[in-house]
Amino acid sequence: QSVLTQPPSVSGAPGQRVTISCTGSSSNIGADYDVHWYQQVPGTAPKLLIYGNNNRPSGVPDRFSGSKSGTSASLAITGLQAEDEADYYCQSYDSSLSGSVFGGGTKVTVL
Amino acid sequence: EVQLVESGGGLAQPGGSLRLSCAASGFIFSGYVMNWVRQAPGKGLEWISYIGSAGTDIYYRDSVKGRFTVSRDNAKNSLYLQMNSLRDEDTAVYYCVRGNNGYDPWGQGTLVTVSS
Repeated sequence: QSVLTQPPSVSGAPGQRVTISCTGSSSNIGADYDVHWYQQVPGTAPKLLIYGNNNRPSGVPDRFSGSKSGTSASLAITGLQAEDEADYYCQSYDSSLSGSVFGGGTKVTVL
Repeated sequence: EVQLVESGGGLAQPGGSLRLSCAASGFIFSGYVMNWVRQAPGKGLEWISYIGSAGTDIYYRDSVKGRFTVSRDNAKNSLYLQMNSLRDEDTAVYYCVRGNNGYDPWGQGTLVTVSS
């Protein structure tokens, strides 16, 4: 049971927009701690996709965007492409646990 | 190129020990906090430990407290994880990661298998 809750899977056709939710609580996202997102292609190490809620590292396409409100955050992928098939994880800090926490991960399938 | 390379994984018996290492290059290692994150086979990501840039601020997740010890040698640009009293549930790929405002980069990971 992850501290941050994500849907197990989402899917969309090429070119469509999909969103992944990340729901936390008053001790993590709701306490105004930043949310970060990672992309993990099967068999490879995770890669930072969004940091500080809505910032893209250099090299990450602007098709990826992040937002945060209250105790939740979201990752949006617009113009879905076949190469976007991967697992996506949200991450934040939890003051009750005094450590970093991850969501359970969401598998994105391009139909 | 900023790079992290983990090593030291392998097979250990329950109750045994392993020491993981992470070699950093391409950046000023002493200026960054570091973390260990693991991923059990077919499972999600799990934060294990944090160490501040000077090595004095250290935190662990509850399930590894008292069994794992994180350390760093800034002169050698290296991060370590001493794992004692290993359990079956410690089986995972272990990653060292840089930073605290989003983990970046990630190493390739090193596989730890705990089994009799």
